[in-house]
Amino acid sequence: DVEMTQSPLSLSVTLGQPASISCRSSQSLVYSDGNTYLNWFQQRPGQSPRRLIYKLSHRDSGVPDRFSGSGSGTDFTLKISRVEAEDVGVYYCMQGTVWPNTFGQGTKLEIK
Amino acid sequence: EVQLVESGGGLVQPGGSLRLSCAASRFSFTDYWMSWVRQAPGKGLEWLANINQDGSGKNYVDSVKGRFTISRDNAKNSLYLEMNSLRAEDTAVYYCTRGPGGIWGQGTMVTVSS
Repeated sequence: DVEMTQSPLSLSVTLGQPASISCRSSQSLVYSDGNTYLNWFQQRPGQSPRRLIYKLSHRDSGVPDRFSGSGSGTDFTLKISRVEAEDVGVYYCMQGTVWPNTFGQGTKLEIK
Repeated sequence: EVQLVESGGGLVQPGGSLRLSCAASRFSFTDYWMSWVRQAPGKGLEWLANINQDGSGKNYVDSVKGRFTISRDNAKNSLYLEMNSLRAEDTAVYYCTRGPGGIWGQGTMVTVSS
């Protein structure tokens, strides 16, 4: 299985400051069609996960533009340009290139 | 609003069986492959199984292969997960999702305990 490794596992950020989460895969996530099936999910406390980013860098509908995804091959990053109180929760990267789909361990974001 | 609603969770003894359902609404169910994902208490997410649009293609993660069966009824806009030979480590919230996680249900809790 493709192993997804996130860092850091916890993050404490001042409101209005940027945040960055790294995700590394154990093999390239570039699929034969040229797409990179790397997704980012947010799970607020007590809620179901919500997808923020799909196919590396595409924001889902309704996701604020302060969230952005980037990277290539095996190294990926989720950036929040200015953290807001509603961003508290756990963030997961997930690869959908190779079955079985696999998630990172999660990164817990809190407000400092 | 696009919606997925899971049901069927509960308390079951080790070795027992349970069938989860997921009712889809307000989108064209037959256009999407569907999946089940679970989350053990206080833990991360595990993608369990997916099924293609007409039900002819299914994939399972090794931890549930041979014990769980994913299926769908397109006439009823419903997704199912038949779970047999349940173990304590199957205790989790079970979510159904549309495609690669674009839409999630609220989850249904399965507890395997004697």
